[in-house]
Amino acid sequence: GAGVSQSPSNKVTEKGKDVELRCDPISGHTALYWYRQSLGQGLEFLIYFQGNSAPDKSGLPSDRFSAERTGGSVSTLTIQRTQQEDSAVYLCASSLVSGAYNEQFFGPGTRLTVL
Amino acid sequence: DQQVKQNSPSLSVQEGRISILNCDYTNSMFDYFLWYKKYPAEGPTFLISISSIKDKNEDGRFTVFLNKSAKHLSLHIVPSQPGDSAVYFCAASEFGGGADGLTFGKGTHLIIQP
Repeated sequence: GAGVSQSPSNKVTEKGKDVELRCDPISGHTALYWYRQSLGQGLEFLIYFQGNSAPDKSGLPSDRFSAERTGGSVSTLTIQRTQQEDSAVYLCASSLVSGAYNEQFFGPGTRLTVL
Repeated sequence: DQQVKQNSPSLSVQEGRISILNCDYTNSMFDYFLWYKKYPAEGPTFLISISSIKDKNEDGRFTVFLNKSAKHLSLHIVPSQPGDSAVYFCAASEFGGGADGLTFGKGTHLIIQP
């Protein structure tokens, strides 16, 4: 079956512009996660959704970051007024239900470059 | 402050030998640990996990050992194969913790030499 897909695969933008990243989870998976990996760093957890609800948004790096999920499926991560330090690979994962014991399946990521 | 540390950025092992990847953690609330494997341009894939009530979990060529008193875990791969060449991430979670996200280390690049 289809795995987690993300679009675009690569995004180059100018500092100050807004960007929107999209994640399509595995069909039937109720939990969805966003992570980012900056150069030379591990994956940094940003936010997760159970259904359409995000119980904890404290992992988002700043108020320029927002995420939403509609219909219990597709999620978008929006970064407003991008900065160079936002350059990273943004990874999305989904799992059948939330909870650490449930395997998270990752998408290939979106590589964001802010010039 | 990094809560999950992988102090070896890279490791080179001869094909057929044992690969040992190490991971240390500082958060005593972590009670579930995972290893993920990542190939270039792909997302990480789950490899093996261990709960804090165990000290060993084995799955084929892969074994994870957990030493809670030392806050240390390791992944053993034996025998190592060329397809094992990848970046390996150690991750941890607090079961029942509100965030449900995983805390990852920086990864270790394993290179299997023929």
